[in-house]
Amino acid sequence: AQRVTQPEKLLSVFKGAPVELKCNYSYSGSPELFWYVQYSRQRLQLLLRHISRESIKGFTADLNKGETSFHLKKPFAQEEDSAMYYCAPGNTGKLIFGQGTTLQVKP
Amino acid sequence: GAVVSQHPSWVICKSGTSVKIECRSLDFQATTMFWYRQFPKQSLMLMATSNEGSKATYEQGVEKDKFLINHASLTLSTLTVTSAHPEDSSFYICSARDSTDPYNEQFFGPGTRLTVL
Repeated sequence: AQRVTQPEKLLSVFKGAPVELKCNYSYSGSPELFWYVQYSRQRLQLLLRHISRESIKGFTADLNKGETSFHLKKPFAQEEDSAMYYCAPGNTGKLIFGQGTTLQVKP
Repeated sequence: GAVVSQHPSWVICKSGTSVKIECRSLDFQATTMFWYRQFPKQSLMLMATSNEGSKATYEQGVEKDKFLINHASLTLSTLTVTSAHPEDSSFYICSARDSTDPYNEQFFGPGTRLTVL
């Protein structure tokens, strides 16, 4: 069965600290991989996608096919990064969302 | 960027009535739209995939007669919750895929809060 695991419900760090939001997935075939972010009182929006290998707002994500992981990283967290982050593998446009991790960046 | 709207943003209805929620892609064409349900402090659960001009594909456990989906044009999909009951109260979110996007990015609407009394 398709499954996405984000083990941390809440991740709290201080401003300037490194951040890693974990994502492990179980998915048949080779899914496309995305990270979506939802800031307070805003709609869900794409943060980054694996296929384009781009870095958005300083975030990167490395795909490890052996471990089926797609962890999201940022070397120096900023207060404006506080949000809910969802890992979402998918295929033909259909996405499966993880439970989400709330990132709280303290001043 | 691509924008998706939903209407209404919130609705309160009596038990037994039907409620229609609209999802529109404002500046792009979407042959495929998706409907999600989100419970408080939980993730998005995919309910169905809406395909323009054809029947929607429902996820396992989602009653198609309860949640009617119509995707009559390339910019509009509707979700009708029929004979709503309090347990249908939830946050309903739609998303749309740009037909020309090779990366399958989904653009999300702001969501509709449904409260059934």
